[in-house]
Amino acid sequence: TQLLEQSPQFLSIQEGENLTVYCNSSSVFSSLQWYRQEPGEGPVLLVTVVTGGEVKKLKRLTFQFGDARKDSSLHITAAQPGDTGLYLCAGDNNAGNMLTFGGGTRLMVKP
Amino acid sequence: KAGVTQTPRYLIKTRGQQVTLSCSPISGHRSVSWYQQTPGQGLQFLFEYFSETQRNKGNFPGRFSGRQFSNSRSEMNVSTLELGDSALYLCASSVGGDRTDTQYFGPGTRLTVL
Repeated sequence: TQLLEQSPQFLSIQEGENLTVYCNSSSVFSSLQWYRQEPGEGPVLLVTVVTGGEVKKLKRLTFQFGDARKDSSLHITAAQPGDTGLYLCAGDNNAGNMLTFGGGTRLMVKP
Repeated sequence: KAGVTQTPRYLIKTRGQQVTLSCSPISGHRSVSWYQQTPGQGLQFLFEYFSETQRNKGNFPGRFSGRQFSNSRSEMNVSTLELGDSALYLCASSVGGDRTDTQYFGPGTRLTVL
């Protein structure tokens, strides 16, 4: 069974601070996706990283895929209250349209 | 274009009953996947349907089943409900079911088993 471990599980920070969320596995993934989920809604895709070492930026969010395609990180610069939510990483194990999700990081950004 | 819709949004059942949840994918999407989300286990893959055929299945007991209709709408059924089946059930649709396709999630059905 392929597992994705996310850390930290919970994060409470002040507006303007920076933070990094990690997603680690002992398995190799074809691609890795990051989602954000808000209460009462389903996860919304933020980014997909495919190539080892790849870095993608989405405004204040920076996503990195590890060289060995076993881990990924999400860095948020100058966090804002609107960034509050559950951040999920999900790996594609090349077995059809089936995603393996990490446990999630619940982020709260206080104004 | 309308997003993925799931009905009902909330459901309360008692142990031993069965339940059917419905998912309408985005127009033109042919793949529908189902996931169970719980605080303890997170998001876990249940099964995926593409063109009315189950293409992938997660590690859930046979009490969990599903089907897809010719219009790509999908239903999942849980029989003989257990307390541990209380969860948010999410469905996601994608265009052609290729693993590189983006999956779009619905808002989920919150099932509570008493």
